[in-house]
Amino acid sequence: DSGVTQTPKHLITATGQRVTLRCSPRSGDLSVYWYQQSLDQGLQFLIQYYNGEERAKGNILERFSAQQFPDLHSELNLSSLELGDSALYFCASSVGPAGGRDEQFFGPGTRLTVL
Amino acid sequence: AQSVTQLGSHVSVSEGALVLLRCNYSSSVPPYLFWYVQYPNQGLQLLLKYTSAATLVKGINGFEAEFKKSETSFHLTKPSAHMSDAAEYFCAVSDRYSSASKIIFGSGTRLSIRP
Repeated sequence: DSGVTQTPKHLITATGQRVTLRCSPRSGDLSVYWYQQSLDQGLQFLIQYYNGEERAKGNILERFSAQQFPDLHSELNLSSLELGDSALYFCASSVGPAGGRDEQFFGPGTRLTVL
Repeated sequence: AQSVTQLGSHVSVSEGALVLLRCNYSSSVPPYLFWYVQYPNQGLQLLLKYTSAATLVKGINGFEAEFKKSETSFHLTKPSAHMSDAAEYFCAVSDRYSSASKIIFGSGTRLSIRP
C-alpha cells in the first residue's frame, strides 16, 4: 500500500459525459501527478500540482482539467468524453516539487471505460 | 527531448534463470533513470533509481541496474528469476536539472516466468 488513494476504482460512462477522478496523496506529500495509461499510448504524464499550484504540464487534452485543493487532495476532470479516453488513470504523489528528484508513490488507479 | 526505449515488449524466462530487461535512454543532459514495476491490477512501484552516486544501482527484490553512459543504457537484471517477478516493468527518465521535472516512461516490458 503506497498510501495514495484514488476513487472511484472503476467508472463506466457514455461518450460526451463528464467525470471527476479523485486522489488523496500520502500524508506529508505536497505534489500530486496524474498519468494516463492506455494500450495504444502507454503511460503518459498529464499534469502535476505542487501545494495547490500547477507545476508541470504534459500531454493533457484541453477537455481535461485538474486542480489541487487546500487539503492537498486533487481532482482530475474529464469532459466531452470520447471512446479513446478509456484508460487507467493513475495519481502519484511526492514530498517535493521535483518529479524526478523525489520518489513518486503511485495510487492503484481508476479504470475509466467510455461506452 | 528525453525519451526511453525498452527493447522487447515481452520477455519470458525460466524460474531460476537470469532476468535481463533492456532500456536505452536519450537525454541531452545527465538524467535521472528509474525502473518501476507494475503488478496486475496495481499501481507502479519504484524498483530502483539512478542519481549518479554509483553506476551500479541496487533495488528492491534483488534487482539491480547498471548505468552505462557510453551505451546510453540502463538495463535491469536479476540473477535468479522467481515466479513472483512476473509483472510489467517500466524504464523511465527525468531531467535532473528541472525543478518541476516530469517522468517519461518507456512502453513497458512484460516479464513472464516459466515454471
